[in-house]
Amino acid sequence: DAKTTQPNSMESNEEEPVHLPCNHSTISGTDYIHWYRQLPSQGPEYVIHGLTSNVNNRMASLAIAEDRKSSTLILHRATLRDAAVYYCILHNYNQGGKLIFGQGTELSVKP
Amino acid sequence: NAGVTQTPKFQVLKTGQSMTLQCAQDMNHEYMSWYRQDPGMGLRLIHYSVGAGITDQGEVPNGYNVSRSTTEDFPLRLLSAAPSQTSVYFCASSSRERLPRNEQFFGPGTRLTVL
Repeated sequence: DAKTTQPNSMESNEEEPVHLPCNHSTISGTDYIHWYRQLPSQGPEYVIHGLTSNVNNRMASLAIAEDRKSSTLILHRATLRDAAVYYCILHNYNQGGKLIFGQGTELSVKP
Repeated sequence: NAGVTQTPKFQVLKTGQSMTLQCAQDMNHEYMSWYRQDPGMGLRLIHYSVGAGITDQGEVPNGYNVSRSTTEDFPLRLLSAAPSQTSVYFCASSSRERLPRNEQFFGPGTRLTVL
């Protein structure tokens, strides 16, 4: 399974944008980039996914580098409720429903 | 829909005891997985299933058994509990039809302590 590298922790101020980076230099052409987040004392929840093009949804935006070796999850206006561990995961269609989590980035949001 | 449910929420075992963690989903998902999460760590995949009657090992399968006799249920059995199995256990499910989105739905977790 291709590996991802994320910073262990990041800090943000409330109502400011947050850019969470992820490196995946060994990504294959058929790997999708998925982001999940885990709020304290809860199971992870899906945030967003993409293949090559940038993606937007109601929770966040995903910016994917042209060479696909890195990506950035963008929270446009951080709130206190966005404090969580954010996981960047590569998933290949052939893996079926299997996800391999890394360590993730712990995001703290200051009021 | 109840989504993914797990029982019990908390459990304390003594070393050597066996038990089964229950997981059920009512979304008719083909894929189901079990993960464990140790303090301060990410999730590690224990076992997963692509459908009734089909299971496979994940990253850390030793000491655990699974079976999948129905689409809805995916129990995880600890054969002889060890302190190293103290962890929070999450069950998840996802739909094959929705690939490549692969949105996994997680249960609330079972917090297990082995003394």
